[in-house]
Amino acid sequence: AQSVTQPDIHITVSEGASLELRCNYSYGATPYLFWYVQSPGQGLQLLLKYFSGDTLVQGIKGFEAEFKRSQSSFNLRKPSVHWSDAAEYFCAVGASGGYQKVTFGIGTKLQVIP
Amino acid sequence: EAGVTQFPSHSVIEKGQTVTLRCDPISGHDNLYWYRRVMGKEIKFLLHFVKESKQDESGMPNNRFLAERTGGTYSTLKVQPAELEDSGVYFCASRPTLEGAEAFFGQGTRLTVV
Repeated sequence: AQSVTQPDIHITVSEGASLELRCNYSYGATPYLFWYVQSPGQGLQLLLKYFSGDTLVQGIKGFEAEFKRSQSSFNLRKPSVHWSDAAEYFCAVGASGGYQKVTFGIGTKLQVIP
Repeated sequence: EAGVTQFPSHSVIEKGQTVTLRCDPISGHDNLYWYRRVMGKEIKFLLHFVKESKQDESGMPNNRFLAERTGGTYSTLKVQPAELEDSGVYFCASRPTLEGAEAFFGQGTRLTVV
């Protein structure tokens, strides 16, 4: 069965600092991987996805993630965090086709301090 | 273009009562998904519609939950009778049937059973 682990439930970073959110997955085949963000009062918004090809994926809002098969990881990064990035971030893994029974991680809440 | 819309945004009901959640997907999206997040837990898949047909309902917790998608347009999720453990945020998502197409999520319905 597929699963996702986000080891950090809460992270606090200073505005302007770099950010890395960790995600490890378990899946028997080539995974379809996603990062979603949920800002307060909003729905889930797709930041980026990996289906195949280049293992470094660029997303919206200046985010990127790198797929590392050997480590079963798909960590999300941003070089300089803005106060508006404060939100909850979800890593997810899906089967072929991308969205069939997507499995989400527990989420990481990001707090940005001045 | 309107996004995925969910009604109501919040619902507080007593144990034993019935509640119906509604999801209006993006027009033309054949695929509609329901997910649920219980407080402090992962977002979990409930079921998947393709048009009006249930493609996969393996995530439905029990027979107190009934999902329908009339005419392949909007969907409802009824909980009858509601129990305390049904509390959580219910998300709906829709996507077109295209390889790699993104799923768009609604804002969610926060259900509290007291």
